[in-house]
Amino acid sequence: DTGVSQNPRHKITKRGQNVTFRCDPISEHNRLYWYRQTLGQGPEFLTYFQNEAQLEKSRLLSDRFSAERPKGSFSTLEIQRTEQGDSAMYLCASSDRTSGNTGELFFGEGSRLTVL
Amino acid sequence: AQSVTQLGSHVSVSEGALVLLRCNYSSSVPPYLFWYVQYPNQGLQLLLKYTTGATLVKGINGFEAEFKKSETSFHLTKPSAHMSDAAEYFCAVSLNFGNEKLTFGTGTRLTIIP
Repeated sequence: DTGVSQNPRHKITKRGQNVTFRCDPISEHNRLYWYRQTLGQGPEFLTYFQNEAQLEKSRLLSDRFSAERPKGSFSTLEIQRTEQGDSAMYLCASSDRTSGNTGELFFGEGSRLTVL
Repeated sequence: AQSVTQLGSHVSVSEGALVLLRCNYSSSVPPYLFWYVQYPNQGLQLLLKYTTGATLVKGINGFEAEFKKSETSFHLTKPSAHMSDAAEYFCAVSLNFGNEKLTFGTGTRLTIIP
């Protein structure tokens, strides 16, 4: 168990560019979550997957954001035409609903996005 | 909809003193409550959780929290602070056991004074 891995850890981009973040969950976990955390705030839910199915999306997830989990393993979060307001830490978490999981999310270290 | 309020964005205590971090929640149904800790440059990790049963729950590193339904509170305590407790602490709520989607508070940064 190597934990939840996120890449890249830091991304600086210019406004209008596209960026993509990758999350590799704990291998046996079938649920994967994306959260966004801005300075001085707690994490805010964006979306989650059970296996490859995207089950819920927050209203925070505008049409410039898209998330995928094509084979039910790793996930990508893409932001198109980035805006300065997208600057935040993007957190990925995973959980296992098939083995008596008791509601704990396992978080990665996050991917920090800075939009200039 | 559920929400979480953490009173005090910054708390400072002396090493060896009591740690008390406050959390109040709002939920239309019996909630599941969590405390997560975030150390510098690390991911969030679970300290403790309340789902059902005993209202006083014990977590890692000597922390505990008590669910008080009448006060809609889930305050986090530790009898004696240690320098290694310096971190940011987040209270979170979820509506049901089958969905781990969490609503977080804004966090409390704990500083330990030597």
